Amino acid sequence: AQKITQTQPGMFVQEKEAVTLDCTYDTSDPSYGLFWYKQPSSGEMIFLIYQGSYDQQNATEGRYSLNFQKARKSANLVISASQLGDSAMYFCAMLSGGYNKLIFGAGTRLAVHP
Amino acid sequence: DTGVSQDPRHKITKRGQNVTFRCDPISEHNRLYWYRQTLGQGPEFLTYFQNEAQLEKSRLLSDRFSAERPKGSFSTLEIQRTEQGDSAMYLCASLGQGGHHQSEEYFGPGTRLTVT
Repeated sequence: AQKITQTQPGMFVQEKEAVTLDCTYDTSDPSYGLFWYKQPSSGEMIFLIYQGSYDQQNATEGRYSLNFQKARKSANLVISASQLGDSAMYFCAMLSGGYNKLIFGAGTRLAVHP
Repeated sequence: DTGVSQDPRHKITKRGQNVTFRCDPISEHNRLYWYRQTLGQGPEFLTYFQNEAQLEKSRLLSDRFSAERPKGSFSTLEIQRTEQGDSAMYLCASLGQGGHHQSEEYFGPGTRLTVT
């Protein structure tokens, strides 16, 4: 069965520092996709970054990068130069078999301190 | 605003009452998803539509829940005889023709349901 595990319930980081949010996954499908979403207190899920299982390079989107280690089944999100507005819940998600729906982890709450 | 919209944003109801939520997806998106998110958890898949066809339903979707997308545009999620355990955020998302590999799911702001 597909599963996403986020082991850090909460993290804090100093403004302008980098932070890594952990995500491990479990799937027997050779082809899959991994997503990171941000959920601020307003509740809306905001897409951040996507990594395909066959992508040769780690995905990057501005200050967000994904540290994809396929053998370890991990897809950690790295946020560089943290900003106060980065304070939010962060969810890792995976495409399930059949690619019809996302399976989410429990999330990590990030607090950025000035 | 061409994003996904949901109505209402908040709903408080008494146990046993019926409630209905609406989702308007991005107009050119043919897939529409419903998720439920309880406090401290990630969203859990409930059901999804491709155009007007409901293609998959989670076991979380008991017989008190029903979803429709009659014309392949907006969708409604109805909960009959609400229970306190139904209290959650109900999220709607839409996805374009290319599927997940060419696009991400765009989420609406959610409907927060409180059953008293």
